[in-house]
Amino acid sequence: DIVMTQSPDSLAVSLGERATINCKSNQSILYSSDNKNYLAWYQQKPGQPPKLLIYWASTRKSGVPDRFSGSGSGTDFTLTISSLQAEDVAVYYCQQYYSTSLFTFGPGTKVDIK
Amino acid sequence: QVPLQESGPGLVKPSQTLSLTCTVSGASVSSGDYYWSWIRQHPGKGLEWIGGIDYSGSTDYNPSLKSRVTISVDTSKSQFSLSLTSVTAADTAVYYCARGPYSTSWYRPYYFDYWGQGSLVTVSS
Repeated sequence: DIVMTQSPDSLAVSLGERATINCKSNQSILYSSDNKNYLAWYQQKPGQPPKLLIYWASTRKSGVPDRFSGSGSGTDFTLTISSLQAEDVAVYYCQQYYSTSLFTFGPGTKVDIK
Repeated sequence: QVPLQESGPGLVKPSQTLSLTCTVSGASVSSGDYYWSWIRQHPGKGLEWIGGIDYSGSTDYNPSLKSRVTISVDTSKSQFSLSLTSVTAADTAVYYCARGPYSTSWYRPYYFDYWGQGSLVTVSS
């Protein structure tokens, strides 16, 4: 199984400051045939379903503010919120879709306002 | 418009079968462009993929649940369904249906771009 880990478990950032969330897989999720990283990021606010933010590790979904960006390759990935807004308070999950026999998510990172 | 909506009993007795249906709007469940999944979230916990189905009816299941799970599609009703047998309290969770893109070139699904609002199912006598 591909195991996803995230760090930190939670973080508190001042409004307007940068928030950085890390995601690591226990094996590479870079598919050699298309040179794409099979990683997505989701945002989940309380009482709501997860919302897709980023796929292919760095492609922002249409309509997602450009303060959200994804980077990384292979086994190490980062979600960055460049200037935290109040509406960004949520839990963020990474997910690998490299293994179609078992899609797996990271445990989540909770982002709060400091 | 929310393109996916879960429905089904909110309370299931232990050892019985949990059955949920996801009604799809704005897309065809028989379209080769999409893959249809069920994902659950235990109270206060993370996300667990249960399984999914493609346009041809081919299914994939989480190995940890495979012996108890069946996912099926009803194209006439634009719905896909989840059946989970022999439930216990450990199956108490919010169950989400989700849609994602599917490649008919590579015969594989990818991420989940739309999710239903979720359906809380409690297993209790």
